Amino acid sequence: AQKVTQAQTEISVVEKEDVTLDCVYETRDTTYYLFWYKQPPSGELVFLIRRNSFDEQNEISGRYSWNFQKSTSSFNFTITASQVVDSAVYFCALSEVQAMEYGNKLVFGAGTILRVKS
Amino acid sequence: DARVTQTPRHKVTEMGQEVTMRCQPILGHNTVFWYRQTMMQGLELLAYFRNRAPLDDSGMPKDRFSAEMPDATLATLKIQPSEPRDSAVYFCASGRTLNTEAFFGQGTRLTVV
Repeated sequence: AQKVTQAQTEISVVEKEDVTLDCVYETRDTTYYLFWYKQPPSGELVFLIRRNSFDEQNEISGRYSWNFQKSTSSFNFTITASQVVDSAVYFCALSEVQAMEYGNKLVFGAGTILRVKS
Repeated sequence: DARVTQTPRHKVTEMGQEVTMRCQPILGHNTVFWYRQTMMQGLELLAYFRNRAPLDDSGMPKDRFSAEMPDATLATLKIQPSEPRDSAVYFCASGRTLNTEAFFGQGTRLTVV
């Protein structure tokens, strides 16, 4: 069965600090997808990134970067020079590839609350 | 700017009443998901559809919950009768193809008193 663990329940940092959010996953599939979503105080879930299991290259998007390591089953998310607007709950999610007729679904971690103080 | 639209945004109802939540997926998306978010359980998948056909609703309490897609532009989630433990935020999400990201609506915050 697939499982996603976000061990950090809550992280508080001061603006401009770098912060890393951890995500560890479990799956029996060799082909799968990993995602990060952001849930700001307004409540909606905002898609940030998707990676497939065959692409271990790290990705950078502005102040955001992601480190995918299959050897440790981890997909960590780093925010560089954090800002108050980064305050949100961040969710890591996993999707296993299934037969086409069975579609696809996301399994979410419990989320990490990030508080960035000015 | 395409987005998933959910109505109502907020709903307060009395125990025992029927509740219907609606979702308009992004045009062209063929997969629709219903999730429920609570403090205790986090984000739980209730049901999902592919090309309007229900694929998995094992996460739903069958005796009181039902999910349907009357057409490609509308998904509904009904609770009858509602109970206080159903109080949560219900999210609808849609996706275009297999294993691409799902785009979420703003959610319906349900309070059952």
